[in-house]
Amino acid sequence: EPEVTQTPSHQVTQMGQEVILRCVPISNHLYFYWYRQILGQKVEFLVSFYNNEISEKSEIFDDQFSVERPDGSNFTLKIRSTKLEDSAMYFCASSEIGGIYNEQFFGPGTRLTVL
Amino acid sequence: KQEVTQIPAALSVPEGENLVLNCSFTDSAIYNLQWFRQDPGKGLTSLLLIQSSQREQTSGRLNASLDKSSGRSTLYIAASQPGDSATYLCAQPTGANSKLTFGKGITLSVRP
Repeated sequence: EPEVTQTPSHQVTQMGQEVILRCVPISNHLYFYWYRQILGQKVEFLVSFYNNEISEKSEIFDDQFSVERPDGSNFTLKIRSTKLEDSAMYFCASSEIGGIYNEQFFGPGTRLTVL
Repeated sequence: KQEVTQIPAALSVPEGENLVLNCSFTDSAIYNLQWFRQDPGKGLTSLLLIQSSQREQTSGRLNASLDKSSGRSTLYIAASQPGDSATYLCAQPTGANSKLTFGKGITLSVRP
């Protein structure tokens, strides 16, 4: 069964360093998302992406964050200068269709630890 | 601002019990609601997507219902098993881009 994959599963970095989190969405899906979950808190929306551009972003997604679809399969989230408070589980999701009836499928997540 | 609430935060039941997990939402203009399972330290597995035009959606021992008028969805688990122990989250899509707003989840423990 097709699934969303994410690498790495765990990333440890020093504060101020850049990190890139990678995702491979399900192959025929057109809509892509990043969410994060700080330990003990709700899953929060970061950004949605469609047709090679950001379609919506949350207030969390500031200038330190960027997303890219560098080729036909990968979808990346870059954090330019990590802060302690960026430590969280980051989830990539994809859906075949957009709009109000879409079903999103999530990857296993990347645990980011900023020291 | 849209809110999704799941109470209680944790639930412990003996094996074999039928149980109901509740999810409340404030946005009555709901089109669908998605239930997920999350095992500790793991990703989110989609369990059921129930659309507003449906009253119920079933998958195996799971049954989800959606009541727009009361702002509630329930996930019914029949004949619970220890393997059902996990955190169950509900999420509602909003906006043109259908970003999901999540509840905090209910951590279920099924005792053998």
